[in-house]
Formats: sequence, structure tokens, C-alpha cells
Amino acid sequence: GAVVSQHPSRVICKSGTSVKIECRSLDFQATTMFWYRQFPKQSLMLMATSNEGSKATYEQGVEKDKFLINHASLTLSTLTVTSAHPEDSSFYICSAILQTGYTEAFFGQGTRLTVV
Amino acid sequence: KQEVTQIPAALSVPEGENLVLNCSFTDSAIYNLQWFRQDPGKGLTSLLLIQSSQREQTSGRLNASLDKSSGRSTLYIAASQPGDSATYLCAVRGGSYIPTFGRGTSLIVHP
Repeated sequence: GAVVSQHPSRVICKSGTSVKIECRSLDFQATTMFWYRQFPKQSLMLMATSNEGSKATYEQGVEKDKFLINHASLTLSTLTVTSAHPEDSSFYICSAILQTGYTEAFFGQGTRLTVV
Repeated sequence: KQEVTQIPAALSVPEGENLVLNCSFTDSAIYNLQWFRQDPGKGLTSLLLIQSSQREQTSGRLNASLDKSSGRSTLYIAASQPGDSATYLCAVRGGSYIPTFGRGTSLIVHP
């Protein structure tokens, strides 16, 4: 299957700093990428949908100024957590699809963010 | 809004048992349903993808069925092994193309 690479896998940062997470589709062009957040023992909650070259669509309750998403190319989307606080500590996972429709969704390995 | 429910939430079985994990969804207008495995602290590994026109998919000891009209899917694991211990998630994709997840079934297979 297709490969989605997410980096870094683990990051610890201080409160008030910003953290960037990268999501790359290695062997296919992803027209759409999704960003999810997962709390311990919870399911994946969709944060936003990003399409290449356009602004991301955020789910209700997700602060777009805090979670900046950029989808500059068909193989790269980035999530930047700005002015991070301890409550932003979580597991973030990206997903990419080849095209809208009947195809599989492929997932990155996730990023464990800890804000101290 | 699509809602996905997985039952049971947790399961602990001895090695060798055959298992059935259940996934139900409220809106039957889906394009596909995907089963994933998630190991602790890790991302998702795709196990099986069933398109809306299909009734089942098989991969090794895994078999997933789909009954779209009743909004249900089952994941059957034959001859379970300790290495099968993980959380199993199902996700459905409908008109918005966005995968919607259930909360998962946490499986422990003990030797």
C-alpha cells in the first residue's frame, strides 16, 4: 500500500513555543489530507481537512489560529501548533487519500506531542 | 451526521479463539469501510478495505463483512494469537469522503 510519512514521531516542547508536524505522501499525490487528534483511550477526532492549494476546513471547536495547517503541495501537509500549552499534549495523526471517492485512506505513524 | 459504534469496547481472550468484532454506523450511504489496527502509541495500520458494493474482504486470518443496508460490519479473526493484541478501529467514508471512526475495540490475546 501507499506510504504516508509523519515527522517527528515524538516531540517535547515548552509552553508557549510552536511545534510543526509534517505529513508526506511518499509514493502518491494526495489531493486531500486529514489531521486527527487522539486522546488516551479515545478514538480519532477529526481536526481539519486540507486540500492542496486551498485553505483548510476546520471542524467545529478547533481553533484555526492555534492549529495552522498548510497543504502547499500534493505530497506535503504541515500542522503547526502555535503557542502550545499542556492541554495541547496529545497524539496527532495525519491521513492522506489519493483522490476523493472510493480509495483507501492511508495514515501516518502519528506524533506524540508533550507540552511541559 | 455519521456515528460509528464499536462493540465490544474491550475483549480479553485466550490464544486460539475465533473472534468477532462489531462495527455499526448510522448512515448507510457510505463509499467504503476500512478496518485498522493500532498498537499502543503508534499510528494506524490498514487491515481491510470494503467498498460499498462488496460484501466481504479477506486477508489471511482476517475476514471483514459489510451489510450496508443494516449499517453493520464485522471483523472476524480466526485462531487468535498474542500478536493480535491491539486496538481495532473501523472507519466509514460517506459523501464527505472524510473517514469517521468508532472508538475501537481493545483486544488482548493471552497465551
